[in-house]
Amino acid sequence: GQQLNQSPQSMFIQEGEDVSMNCTSSSIFNTWLWYKQEPGEGPVLLIALYKAGELTSNGRLTAQFGITRKDSFLNISASIPSDVGIYFCAGQPRLSGNTPLVFGKGTRLSVIA
Amino acid sequence: NAGVTQTPKFRILKIGQSMTLQCTQDMNHNYMYWYRQDPGMGLKLIYYSVGAGITDKGEVPNGYNVSRSTTEDFPLRLELAAPSQTSVYFCASSGQGRFNQPQHFGDGTRLSIL
Repeated sequence: GQQLNQSPQSMFIQEGEDVSMNCTSSSIFNTWLWYKQEPGEGPVLLIALYKAGELTSNGRLTAQFGITRKDSFLNISASIPSDVGIYFCAGQPRLSGNTPLVFGKGTRLSVIA
Repeated sequence: NAGVTQTPKFRILKIGQSMTLQCTQDMNHNYMYWYRQDPGMGLKLIYYSVGAGITDKGEVPNGYNVSRSTTEDFPLRLELAAPSQTSVYFCASSGQGRFNQPQHFGDGTRLSIL
């Protein structure tokens, strides 16, 4: 099946720092979604991207749909303690037709106050 | 707004027991999904449904069964619980049309098999 490579696996950063994480694949994707999961809860949608090159912001979060359609990145500016959690990318592969989203394995973010 | 509701939140089973994990959504979504998340890992798709009466296997369906008799409900059944099924189970739903619509997740059921 289609695979998404999400990196880094984990990050430890100081409060106030900017964060960048990405998701890549060897296949072309039609859709990229970014989710955040906090301890004891289900994933919550942060940003959805549907067009190559699309750049979308949600507060301090910015995500882009790569021009090649094979990658996406998520940036968090001026991190705060409540940014702690696991960030998942998800996408729909183009060649597989109308099939469920594929999820990355997540980036675990820790913020040191 | 309830969204996706999962019950129970926690459960401990003995090996060989059976149980049903309940999932209901009030958003009139046609598409529903079951995932499992093992510690430190991502989400693995167990089963999904594109509407009442229609279900399909995902990546890891062995040991599980599902049914979809109504739009709102998508229960997941474990017939003979095994230690390998210890995990956190998430139900999700998405709007009709295509699978690329954002999925809305419940808060999960934490299941331990001893």
